[in-house]
Amino acid sequence: DAMVIQNPRYQVTQFGKPVTLSCSQTLNHNVMYWYQQKSSQAPKLLFHYYDKDFNNEADTPDNFQSRRPNTSFCFLDIRSPGLGDAAMYLCATSSPGGSTDTQYFGPGTRLTVL
Amino acid sequence: KNQVEQSPQSLIILEGKNCTLQCNYTVSPFSNLRWYKQDTGRGPVSLTIMTFSENTKSNGRYTATLDADTKQSSLHITASQLSDSASYICVVSSYNNNDMRFGAGTRLTVKP
Repeated sequence: DAMVIQNPRYQVTQFGKPVTLSCSQTLNHNVMYWYQQKSSQAPKLLFHYYDKDFNNEADTPDNFQSRRPNTSFCFLDIRSPGLGDAAMYLCATSSPGGSTDTQYFGPGTRLTVL
Repeated sequence: KNQVEQSPQSLIILEGKNCTLQCNYTVSPFSNLRWYKQDTGRGPVSLTIMTFSENTKSNGRYTATLDADTKQSSLHITASQLSDSASYICVVSSYNNNDMRFGAGTRLTVKP
Protein backbone atom coordinates (compact mmCIF):
# COMPACT_ATOMS: atom_id res chain seq x y z
CA ASP A 1 0.00 0.00 0.00
CA ALA A 2 3.00 2.29 0.29
CA MET A 3 2.53 5.18 -2.12
CA VAL A 4 5.74 7.16 -1.61
CA ILE A 5 8.72 4.97 -0.89
CA GLN A 6 12.10 6.17 0.25
CA ASN A 7 15.27 4.12 0.36
CA PRO A 8 17.18 3.65 2.44
CA ARG A 9 15.37 4.64 5.64
CA TYR A 10 18.70 5.24 7.36
CA GLN A 11 21.91 6.24 5.61
CA VAL A 12 25.34 6.75 7.13
CA THR A 13 28.06 8.40 5.10
CA GLN A 14 31.44 9.93 5.72
CA PHE A 15 32.27 13.59 5.53
CA GLY A 16 32.79 14.45 1.87
CA LYS A 17 31.68 11.07 0.51
CA PRO A 18 28.91 11.40 -2.11
CA VAL A 19 25.58 9.87 -1.23
CA THR A 20 22.34 9.30 -3.15
CA LEU A 21 18.90 9.03 -1.63
CA SER A 22 16.04 7.59 -3.65
CA CYS A 23 12.33 8.13 -3.80
CA SER A 24 9.69 6.29 -5.80
CA GLN A 25 5.95 6.75 -6.05
CA THR A 26 3.02 4.64 -7.19
CA LEU A 27 0.62 7.59 -7.47
CA ASN A 28 1.64 8.77 -10.95
CA HIS A 29 1.84 12.33 -9.61
CA ASN A 30 3.32 15.12 -11.72
CA VAL A 31 5.16 16.86 -8.93
CA MET A 32 7.88 15.47 -6.70
CA TYR A 33 9.58 17.38 -3.91
CA TRP A 34 12.65 16.99 -1.76
CA TYR A 35 12.70 18.51 1.72
CA GLN A 36 15.38 18.68 4.38
CA GLN A 37 14.18 18.55 7.96
CA LYS A 38 16.46 19.09 10.92
CA SER A 39 15.55 18.22 14.45
CA SER A 40 12.57 20.19 15.83
CA GLN A 41 12.38 22.31 12.68
CA ALA A 42 9.91 22.58 9.85
CA PRO A 43 10.74 20.81 6.59
CA LYS A 44 12.70 23.04 4.24
CA LEU A 45 12.04 22.71 0.53
CA LEU A 46 15.20 22.02 -1.46
CA PHE A 47 13.73 21.66 -4.94
CA HIS A 48 10.86 20.15 -6.85
CA TYR A 49 10.09 18.71 -10.26
CA TYR A 50 6.93 19.51 -12.18
CA ASP A 51 7.09 16.63 -14.65
CA LYS A 52 10.61 17.06 -16.04
CA ASP A 53 10.86 20.75 -15.16
CA PHE A 54 13.33 21.24 -12.33
CA ASN A 55 12.76 24.07 -9.84
CA ASN A 56 15.54 24.88 -7.42
CA GLU A 57 14.95 26.94 -4.28
CA ALA A 58 17.18 30.01 -4.23
CA ASP A 59 18.93 29.07 -1.01
CA THR A 60 19.54 25.39 -1.80
CA PRO A 61 23.30 24.80 -1.76
CA ASP A 62 25.00 23.64 -4.97
CA ASN A 63 26.08 20.58 -3.02
CA PHE A 64 22.54 19.24 -3.49
CA GLN A 65 21.49 17.94 -6.88
CA SER A 66 18.49 15.99 -8.08
CA ARG A 67 17.53 13.69 -10.93
CA ARG A 68 14.16 12.50 -12.11
CA PRO A 69 14.65 9.88 -14.81
CA ASN A 70 10.92 9.10 -15.07
CA THR A 71 7.58 9.88 -13.41
CA SER A 72 8.03 7.30 -10.68
CA PHE A 73 11.55 7.96 -9.47
CA CYS A 74 13.43 10.92 -8.09
CA PHE A 75 16.92 11.00 -6.59
CA LEU A 76 18.69 13.38 -4.24
CA ASP A 77 22.45 13.52 -4.70
CA ILE A 78 24.63 15.13 -2.06
CA ARG A 79 28.00 15.59 -3.69
CA SER A 80 30.14 16.31 -0.65
CA PRO A 81 28.17 15.89 2.56
CA GLY A 82 29.16 18.05 5.47
CA LEU A 83 28.30 17.58 9.13
CA GLY A 84 25.60 20.21 8.74
CA ASP A 85 23.83 18.09 6.14
CA ALA A 86 22.86 15.48 8.70
CA ALA A 87 19.07 15.58 8.71
CA MET A 88 15.89 13.79 7.73
CA TYR A 89 15.27 14.02 3.99
CA LEU A 90 11.64 13.85 2.98
CA CYS A 91 10.28 13.14 -0.47
CA ALA A 92 6.73 14.18 -1.32
CA THR A 93 4.43 14.10 -4.32
CA SER A 94 1.36 15.95 -5.45
CA SER A 95 -0.83 16.14 -8.50
CA PRO A 96 -1.96 19.70 -9.09
CA GLY A 97 -5.57 19.62 -10.22
CA GLY A 98 -7.05 22.34 -8.12
CA SER A 99 -6.48 24.02 -4.83
CA THR A 100 -7.20 21.03 -2.64
CA ASP A 101 -4.77 18.43 -3.88
CA THR A 102 -2.91 16.73 -1.08
CA GLN A 103 0.81 16.35 -0.76
CA TYR A 104 1.85 12.82 0.10
CA PHE A 105 5.07 12.34 2.03
CA GLY A 106 7.37 9.38 2.16
CA PRO A 107 8.67 8.03 5.49
CA GLY A 108 11.95 9.91 5.08
CA THR A 109 15.60 8.95 5.03
CA ARG A 110 17.63 9.79 8.12
CA LEU A 111 21.13 10.81 7.00
CA THR A 112 24.05 10.66 9.41
CA VAL A 113 27.39 12.19 8.42
CA LEU A 114 30.45 10.95 10.29
CA LYS B 1 10.98 35.35 7.19
CA ASN B 2 8.67 32.57 8.37
CA GLN B 3 5.16 33.42 7.24
CA VAL B 4 3.50 30.68 9.26
CA GLU B 5 3.61 30.85 13.05
CA GLN B 6 2.40 28.04 15.27
CA SER B 7 1.69 28.03 18.96
CA PRO B 8 2.36 26.65 21.40
CA GLN B 9 5.76 25.27 20.52
CA SER B 10 5.09 22.27 22.71
CA LEU B 11 2.19 20.99 24.77
CA ILE B 12 1.70 18.23 27.32
CA ILE B 13 -1.79 16.97 28.14
CA LEU B 14 -3.33 14.00 29.89
CA GLU B 15 -4.94 11.19 27.95
CA GLY B 16 -8.62 11.85 27.34
CA LYS B 17 -8.32 15.64 27.48
CA ASN B 18 -8.98 18.01 24.59
CA CYS B 19 -6.51 20.50 23.20
CA THR B 20 -6.29 23.22 20.58
CA LEU B 21 -3.28 24.14 18.48
CA GLN B 22 -2.97 27.49 16.74
CA CYS B 23 -1.62 28.60 13.37
CA ASN B 24 -1.35 32.21 12.22
CA TYR B 25 -0.15 33.09 8.76
CA THR B 26 0.67 36.03 6.52
CA VAL B 27 0.94 34.06 3.27
CA SER B 28 -0.77 35.89 0.44
CA PRO B 29 -2.53 35.31 -1.86
CA PHE B 30 -3.99 32.43 0.06
CA SER B 31 -4.91 29.15 -1.60
CA ASN B 32 -5.25 26.50 1.08
CA LEU B 33 -4.16 25.51 4.56
CA ARG B 34 -3.24 21.99 5.63
CA TRP B 35 -2.60 20.35 8.92
CA TYR B 36 -0.19 17.44 9.07
CA LYS B 37 0.66 14.98 11.82
CA GLN B 38 4.28 13.88 11.96
CA ASP B 39 5.28 11.01 14.22
CA THR B 40 8.88 11.01 15.37
CA GLY B 41 11.16 9.73 12.62
CA ARG B 42 8.36 9.49 10.06
CA GLY B 43 7.07 11.61 7.21
CA PRO B 44 4.13 13.99 7.72
CA VAL B 45 0.63 12.62 7.15
CA SER B 46 -2.18 14.87 5.98
CA LEU B 47 -5.04 15.44 8.44
CA THR B 48 -7.10 18.20 6.82
CA ILE B 49 -6.97 20.66 3.98
CA MET B 50 -9.13 23.78 3.72
CA THR B 51 -9.62 26.40 1.06
CA PHE B 52 -10.66 30.02 1.44
CA SER B 53 -14.37 29.23 1.52
CA GLU B 54 -14.19 26.52 4.18
CA ASN B 55 -14.15 27.44 7.85
CA THR B 56 -14.22 24.01 9.46
CA LYS B 57 -13.27 20.49 8.54
CA SER B 58 -13.19 17.32 10.61
CA ASN B 59 -11.24 14.10 10.38
CA GLY B 60 -12.29 11.81 13.19
CA ARG B 61 -11.22 13.38 16.47
CA TYR B 62 -9.41 16.17 14.64
CA THR B 63 -11.30 19.35 13.76
CA ALA B 64 -9.62 22.22 11.94
CA THR B 65 -11.03 25.72 11.70
CA LEU B 66 -10.03 28.54 9.39
CA ASP B 67 -10.69 32.26 9.61
CA ALA B 68 -9.38 33.64 6.33
CA ASP B 69 -10.15 37.22 7.40
CA THR B 70 -7.91 37.11 10.44
CA LYS B 71 -5.58 34.55 8.83
CA GLN B 72 -5.84 32.14 11.71
CA SER B 73 -6.42 28.43 11.91
CA SER B 74 -6.77 26.02 14.79
CA LEU B 75 -6.61 22.27 15.15
CA HIS B 76 -8.75 20.84 17.91
CA ILE B 77 -8.10 17.33 19.16
CA THR B 78 -10.91 15.71 21.12
CA ALA B 79 -10.50 12.96 23.70
CA SER B 80 -6.77 12.68 23.16
CA GLN B 81 -5.06 9.30 22.95
CA LEU B 82 -1.47 8.31 23.58
CA SER B 83 -1.04 7.81 19.83
CA ASP B 84 -1.78 11.50 19.27
CA SER B 85 1.71 12.27 20.58
CA ALA B 86 3.42 13.79 17.56
CA SER B 87 4.33 17.07 15.90
CA TYR B 88 1.48 18.91 14.21
CA ILE B 89 2.50 21.05 11.29
CA CYS B 90 0.51 23.81 9.62
CA VAL B 91 1.26 24.40 5.94
CA VAL B 92 -0.13 27.34 3.98
CA SER B 93 -0.09 27.46 0.20
CA SER B 94 -0.26 30.39 -2.13
CA TYR B 95 -2.12 30.29 -5.45
CA ASN B 96 0.85 28.61 -7.00
CA ASN B 97 0.47 25.37 -5.11
CA ASN B 98 4.18 24.71 -5.28
CA ASP B 99 4.75 27.70 -3.00
CA MET B 100 4.09 26.18 0.40
CA ARG B 101 5.11 27.64 3.73
CA PHE B 102 5.60 25.33 6.66
CA GLY B 103 5.13 26.25 10.28
CA ALA B 104 7.69 25.01 12.78
CA GLY B 105 5.11 22.69 14.30
CA THR B 106 3.66 22.07 17.75
CA ARG B 107 5.08 19.11 19.63
CA LEU B 108 2.18 17.40 21.46
CA THR B 109 2.79 14.85 24.19
CA VAL B 110 -0.15 12.89 25.58
CA LYS B 111 0.56 11.27 28.95
CA PRO B 112 -1.40 8.46 30.60
